Amino acid sequence: SQTIHQWPATLVQPVGSPLSLECTVEGTSNPNLYWYRQAAGRGLQLLFYSVGIGQISSEVPQNLSASRPQDRQFILSSKKLLLSDSGFYLCAWSTPPGNTIYFGEGSWLTVV
Amino acid sequence: RKEVEQDPGPFNVPEGATVAFNCTYSNSASQSFFWYRQDCRKEPKLLMSVYSSGNEDGRFTAQLNRASQYISLLIRDSKLSDSATYLCVVRRPGQNFVFGPGTRLSVLP
Repeated sequence: SQTIHQWPATLVQPVGSPLSLECTVEGTSNPNLYWYRQAAGRGLQLLFYSVGIGQISSEVPQNLSASRPQDRQFILSSKKLLLSDSGFYLCAWSTPPGNTIYFGEGSWLTVV
Repeated sequence: RKEVEQDPGPFNVPEGATVAFNCTYSNSASQSFFWYRQDCRKEPKLLMSVYSSGNEDGRFTAQLNRASQYISLLIRDSKLSDSATYLCVVRRPGQNFVFGPGTRLSVLP
């Protein structure tokens, strides 16, 4: 069966510090991968998606970036965090043609 | 207008009640429809897909009206454990999933 893991689960970072969130999917090949953010009390905002290694599409211009160095690995990064980057970050995958999307456990980021 | 809209909520209902959530979508090319459930501070989890003919899973019934671009979720005999936020999700072919803002349900003892 397919599983998805992301880490760390919780982190508190000062403004201006870097960020790296990692996500891996197991049990499937060539998945579509996604990074979403959910601010407190808000809906899900798609940040990035990837249909293959090295292929990243950005939905919202911001100080975040994403990379896909391996087929089942997706990384969300920032060089300098802002207070507004605080939120719940969710990695997700779907298998083309993508009839369903599945989420990792999420990472809570607080920028102080 | 947002692509997916839901009842604003919150819905506070007693145990055993029947509750219905509504969702509308703006793009008629949407082909795939889902209901997800999200518990507080947790990731969304698939509750059920929504099929054209309507479908049922235990106490949960989903309906789709393509002509009106409307999706519904009915929960019968509500349990305390049904308390969560319910997300309506649509997808156009070859496009990304679009999530509604969610409707929060609290089932009260």
